[in-house]
Amino acid sequence: DIQMTQSPSTLSASVGDRVIITCRASQSISSWLAWYQQKPGKAPKVLIYTATNLDSGVPSRFSGSGSGTEFTLTISSLQPDDFATYYCQHYKSYPWTFGQGTKVEVK
Amino acid sequence: EIQLVESGGGLVQPGGSLRLSCVASGFTFSSYSINWVRQAPGKGLEWISYISSDGNTAFYADSVKGRFTISRDNAKNSVYLQMNSLRDDDTAVYYCAKYGTYAYFHDWGQGTLVTVSS
Repeated sequence: DIQMTQSPSTLSASVGDRVIITCRASQSISSWLAWYQQKPGKAPKVLIYTATNLDSGVPSRFSGSGSGTEFTLTISSLQPDDFATYYCQHYKSYPWTFGQGTKVEVK
Repeated sequence: EIQLVESGGGLVQPGGSLRLSCVASGFTFSSYSINWVRQAPGKGLEWISYISSDGNTAFYADSVKGRFTISRDNAKNSVYLQMNSLRDDDTAVYYCAKYGTYAYFHDWGQGTLVTVSS
């Protein structure tokens, strides 16, 4: 199975900060990676797919980069609505696996 | 508007069984594969099962293989997850999810909570 490792696990930031979350795959997944945002008590929402593609309706302050085994999710200027937990997920081959999550909290 | 609505969760004793349902609307259900993803309390996301659009192909995570069975009824726009031999660590919110353009989860239900406890 492909293991996904996110860092950091928790990130303290302020509104307006640039935030970068990293996701590493245990083997190459090409660009078969998605990023999700989840708020408490809610289902996850996809932000980015195929590593760099912004899903419809997602603000342009979110961006994704990387390929192979190293990926990043960047929030260019953190907004109040962005405090949440973020997950990466590969879809290279079954079983699909997620990273353990990165909680973005108020500094 | 695409909607996925899960039901069937509840409290069950260890070793017991439960059947979850996911009813879909807003898209041509018979053309899309469906997955189940779960989340234990305070924990991360875990994909557990997939079923193809025609119901002929299913995949399972090792953690549920041999205990859970996924099925679908395209006439009822529904997917089911039969869960047997439930264990404490099966306690989680269970989501059904539909793929986007590729095999990422674009559309999610609201989830149904399964609690396994004596």
